[in-house]
Amino acid sequence: EVQLVESGGGLVQPGGSLRLSCVVSGFTFNTYTLNWVRQAPGKRLEWISYINSGSNAIYYADSVKGRFTISRDNAKNSLYLQMSSLRVEDTAIYYCARENIDGDYGYFDVWGRGTLVSVSS
Amino acid sequence: DIVMTQSPDSLAVSLGERATINCKSSRSVLYSSNNKNYLAWYKQKPGQPPKLLMYSASTRESGVPDRFSGSGSGTDFTLTISSLQAEDVAVYYCQQYYSTPRTFGQGTKVEIK
Repeated sequence: EVQLVESGGGLVQPGGSLRLSCVVSGFTFNTYTLNWVRQAPGKRLEWISYINSGSNAIYYADSVKGRFTISRDNAKNSLYLQMSSLRVEDTAIYYCARENIDGDYGYFDVWGRGTLVSVSS
Repeated sequence: DIVMTQSPDSLAVSLGERATINCKSSRSVLYSSNNKNYLAWYKQKPGQPPKLLMYSASTRESGVPDRFSGSGSGTDFTLTISSLQAEDVAVYYCQQYYSTPRTFGQGTKVEIK
């Protein structure tokens, strides 16, 4: 069974840091591009970061650029999101999502259940 | 950034009736080299992650019931549920993957009338 399981969320103060992890099983991890997508309470989904299979193509949303760092360890079937300088507006459920390529780009065909990040003093 | 706008924000439909959700992109998501629309639809139930329903605007993901269909091209797209079932109550999102940042619509909440 294809599974993505996020962890690492929690309550953190503004300006703090947190590292999210996403452990994958059920498919060949090192052949897929992965993404982080978040959803603030009652808000639409927001894509925040992309990393391809070889980690040589990485993209960020402007809202997190310079503060968040995506990485992966293909030996551990794991995806990471290092978050620093956290803001109240970063409060959200963070999902990791597998990208399935359709031509040149991909849609998100498998999602984890998410991990909640709350930024509050 | 490509802005995705859905309409309506919510709709209530009787069981067995048709539900139609519209999605408009601020720029075309039709990739001319392969004539594919880089547009996906997702369904999200409360407390659950999104689930992929449709990609390339009109291709049903494996396992998705055939009462779900997608149509449209360029900037205007539609998701149709031909005969609403109780398990279809959810929020539905469109998303473009034509360019980065990938962007989502604001969601359409579907309820039973």
